[in-house]
Amino acid sequence: ETGVTQTPRHLVMGMTNKKSLKCEQHLGHNAMYWYKQSAKKPLELMFVYSLEERVENNSVPSRFSPECPNSSHLFLHLHTLQPEDSALYLCASSPSARGWSPLHFGNGTRLTVT
Amino acid sequence: TQLLEQSPQFLSIQEGENLTVYCNSSSVFSSLQWYRQEPGEGPVLLVTVVTGGEVKKLKRLTFQFGDARKDSSLHITAAQPGDTGLYLCAGAGGAGSYQLTFGKGTKLSVIP
Repeated sequence: ETGVTQTPRHLVMGMTNKKSLKCEQHLGHNAMYWYKQSAKKPLELMFVYSLEERVENNSVPSRFSPECPNSSHLFLHLHTLQPEDSALYLCASSPSARGWSPLHFGNGTRLTVT
Repeated sequence: TQLLEQSPQFLSIQEGENLTVYCNSSSVFSSLQWYRQEPGEGPVLLVTVVTGGEVKKLKRLTFQFGDARKDSSLHITAAQPGDTGLYLCAGAGGAGSYQLTFGKGTKLSVIP
């Protein structure tokens, strides 16, 4: 039980599909994040939400669309993805959105774009 | 842009050996975190170091933050197969920063 649950664990989608990744945290944290993890690259921060308000968007292409309906749930809507978007997508939460606040990660969604 | 370099990139050792992995930067960080990520799982926080020169111990793991807060090391004594995983360091910037800067990680394999 990680406290941060991501679904699905694995996803294969074509370039014309639309799908969504879901994240739920049970830790009472105020901040939630989407990270992308690719081989041989550092973890890349995609989006940060603090108290349901997006506070950071790291120049992510518009084919990735986040949604945070409340402080416990976070979605990442995907459409017209490219093969290079294949990666492990990690959701995380933290008590606050400040950089020194430790992150609690989910186990990720392994995305393959064909 | 703040960068964190981790070395070595890969490390394969026998059970019972000692090892040290490094996390270096030319930038100063207000604090530094170490995570371990096992296959098929997300990273899990091991420790946060805040003060320059600080040493923290977690059972067989010893973490050190450099005096200038630009580098850190993780030493594992008598490694066990359960220590296998990807070790990530992440530096926190100054006030107002939302981001952690992650290194690429050190992939450790401990062979029984």
